[in-house]
Amino acid sequence: DQQVKQNSPSLSVQEGRISILNCDYTNSMFDYFLWYKKYPAEGPTFLISISSIKDKNEDGRFTVFLNKSAKHLSLHIVPSQPGDSAVYFCAASAWGNEKLTFGTGTRLTIIP
Amino acid sequence: NAGVMQNPRHLVRRRGQEARLRCSPMKGHSHVYWYRQLPEEGLKFMVYLQKENIIDESGMPKERFSAEFPKEGPSILRIQQVVRGDSAAYFCASSPGTDLVGYTFGSGTRLTVV
Repeated sequence: DQQVKQNSPSLSVQEGRISILNCDYTNSMFDYFLWYKKYPAEGPTFLISISSIKDKNEDGRFTVFLNKSAKHLSLHIVPSQPGDSAVYFCAASAWGNEKLTFGTGTRLTIIP
Repeated sequence: NAGVMQNPRHLVRRRGQEARLRCSPMKGHSHVYWYRQLPEEGLKFMVYLQKENIIDESGMPKERFSAEFPKEGPSILRIQQVVRGDSAAYFCASSPGTDLVGYTFGSGTRLTVV
């Protein structure tokens, strides 16, 4: 039972354009969401998070949007840069629970 | 300030052998988590430990797998009698326990069972 889903295994975007990565979840107990970036042979690196009391959080080029009614979140990267090429994982947790549930990831390729 | 240290980076074991994976958390972090990533999949939670205590092992297979985080020394994930299906990347993370943003992952141990 995949509770966090990233339906696009891969995405290619031109350098300078906006990258939009999507994530859906099914567990209504999830109330905290995180995005991680992962390079090959390295561990995931935290990018940005959002609590369910918000619908948007911004940090530099990265913005995460949360639509609770649709159980959907998205990560926007603008402008996209070659160094953004990596696998991006969406993760979720329930209040008071330190366990993260991850999606299967989206491989983002930025085309110069 | 060193990050989360995992060793070895790569481990090859024959079927039936034991695998021991080590994780030293970041300085000041008292919470340790182990995750497993199978090929083409996301990370799956295995176990959450604090010093000398297993807090949540809901993701651990019932047999052959065990984890500890002793008072002194690194956290150890132990897999007995490994099988080919245990081949995966095993990631450790640590946190100070205050919030999930402080969750920091190590570079992982890639286990290959031949």
